[in-house]
Amino acid sequence: DTAVSQTPKYLVTQMGNDKSIKCEQNLGHDTMYWYKQDSKKFLKIMFSYNNKELIINETVPNRFSPKSPDKAHLNLHINSLELGDSAVYFCASSQDPELSEQFFGPGTRLTVL
Amino acid sequence: KNEVEQSPQNLTAQEGEFITINCSYSVGISALHWLQQHPGGGIVSLFMLSSGKKKHGRLIATINIQEKHSSLHITASHPRDSAVYICAVIDKLIFGTGTRLQVFP
Repeated sequence: DTAVSQTPKYLVTQMGNDKSIKCEQNLGHDTMYWYKQDSKKFLKIMFSYNNKELIINETVPNRFSPKSPDKAHLNLHINSLELGDSAVYFCASSQDPELSEQFFGPGTRLTVL
Repeated sequence: KNEVEQSPQNLTAQEGEFITINCSYSVGISALHWLQQHPGGGIVSLFMLSSGKKKHGRLIATINIQEKHSSLHITASHPRDSAVYICAVIDKLIFGTGTRLQVFP
């Protein structure tokens, strides 16, 4: 059983479209995260979210929004996609935001044409 | 200056060598994380530590809170250790830029 899963694995879309990436964890964790890894392979955390608090990296454009229908899911919505949004997006989860190991999903490669 | 800095950026080694990757940070932390990203892209959490030392097989991570410094050591390195190693202060959303390690047979 996959602990943290993401769909789709690959996403190719046109500039200006709105798209979502889904993430689910079956570990019973309280905190989930979204990361972006750009073409230079730098990993940047975008959001940290639990049922009490959303922490947003201030450099993330407000076109990006996390949405959590329940504790096991944290989906990433992206509006008005731009070329620079092309990257690999990773979802992760942990039991708590500070003192627990993180478990990562396999990543979603987004290509904006 | 980045709040989390790693060195070296790139590291090559022969199989069997002892590897050290360093991480210095300038912020207060609850814990420091070491992550490994394989060439295929998958990311694995190696260690989360807030004091002292942890060991997992051939991997050892140490942290000195007073000096704000952590090290990741790999003993008897192997080509399958080739990956990018990243230190991170996750509760502050701060990541190092990673160290790319290549171990040759």
